[in-house]
Amino acid sequence: DVKVTQSSRYLVKRTGEKVFLECVQDMDHENMFWYRQDPGLGLRLIYFSYDVKMKEKGDIPEGYSVSREKKERFSLILESASTNQTSMYLCASSYHRGGHTEAFFGQGTRLTVV
Amino acid sequence: QQQVKQSPQSLIVQKGGIPIINCAYENTAFDYFPWYQQFPGKGPALLIAIRPDVSEKKEGRFTISFNKSAKQFSLHIMDSQPGDSATYFCAASKDTGRRALTFGSGTRLQVQP
Repeated sequence: DVKVTQSSRYLVKRTGEKVFLECVQDMDHENMFWYRQDPGLGLRLIYFSYDVKMKEKGDIPEGYSVSREKKERFSLILESASTNQTSMYLCASSYHRGGHTEAFFGQGTRLTVV
Repeated sequence: QQQVKQSPQSLIVQKGGIPIINCAYENTAFDYFPWYQQFPGKGPALLIAIRPDVSEKKEGRFTISFNKSAKQFSLHIMDSQPGDSATYFCAASKDTGRRALTFGSGTRLQVQP
């Protein structure tokens, strides 16, 4: 079974703190993603990475950065947490083969910024 | 700008009914259209997917209908069961270049016994 593991299920942080969300996948997938999920807005792409040390901005990258030093690990960094970053954060990894792409998601980290 | 529009936002059906969830996309470069199912407390999981060279795909009780000219696709759940109660997301991506999935806003389905 593919496993995508996010380091925390729940986090509470203060405004202005630097926050690290960690994600590890065990299937040697090249692609990894960070999404945030908000009611009525679905999943919105923050950043993705298609190789080690490679990253690309998604649709809502402002206030976030990422790091991918090893193939299996993709970190999301909130440089200075704000209350509007309170959300569910979902990490995913994917493979692409023969025109078929499947993304595997972690269970999510519910972040509350107070 | 929402590239994939999904409706309805929520849906309640009786057991055995056929809920239908609709999605429309704008970017004609999209050529892969999956549906994801999410149960409470879990991440989304791939349910079924279609490419635009076919108009329909069935897997068990789940069917995707695809209308390329209208840029629309829909999910039908035959003989729905209470265990199908979940949030469903449509998505789209390109087969080349950026392959990140663009998701719709989600539909919360409740199947009543």
